[in-house]
Amino acid sequence: QSALTQPASVSGSPGQSITISCTGTNSDVGGYNYVSWYQQHPGKAPKLIIYEVNNRPSGVSNRFSGSKSGNTASLTISGLQTEDEADYYCSSYTSTSTPVVFGGGTKLTVL
Amino acid sequence: EVQLVQSGAEVKKPGESLKISCKGSGYSFATYWIAWVRQMPGKGPEWMGIIYPGDSDTRYSPSFQGQVTMSADKSISTAYLQWSSLKASDTAMYYCARRYSSGSYPYWGQGTLVTVSS
Repeated sequence: QSALTQPASVSGSPGQSITISCTGTNSDVGGYNYVSWYQQHPGKAPKLIIYEVNNRPSGVSNRFSGSKSGNTASLTISGLQTEDEADYYCSSYTSTSTPVVFGGGTKLTVL
Repeated sequence: EVQLVQSGAEVKKPGESLKISCKGSGYSFATYWIAWVRQMPGKGPEWMGIIYPGDSDTRYSPSFQGQVTMSADKSISTAYLQWSSLKASDTAMYYCARRYSSGSYPYWGQGTLVTVSS
């Protein structure tokens, strides 16, 4: 069981917007603004798309945005494109003995 | 351009030892923490631990403490992950990743697939 909880799957049509949630605790998501989101295509390494809750690395589309409320972080993808179909993982800094925890991942299907 | 290049896929038998590598380029290797991340088939990533190549300061996740050893040779900009006695349950993809902020990793190696089977 992963430390952070994500829905197993979400889907949307091209052009639509979707939101993926990531629920943790006061010891991780709720306690720090160190939530990251990664996109992973099959057979590829994870790619950082959001860091520190709502910041995008250089080169990442502004269609990706992040937010946080309490112990739940969210990733929103607007204007869905077929190339957005991938697995998405959240992660957070945590005050426990393992300083970084990941979610179990959400498979995004673009119909 | 920052790059992390990992060693190739390995197939080993239970009980064998293994050392995989991660070579950094395009930046000052000694001054950025390098983490190792395990991803088992169909599962989410798991943070194993982290090493600072400048002085080899190493922190392990309790889940991996005593199961693996991390090391680094800053003179050749390379970090290592090693096992002394592999188990079938070590079968996974292993990634190295360079840390930015706490919990944020913008640079990843391509991964090393380790398969342990009799």
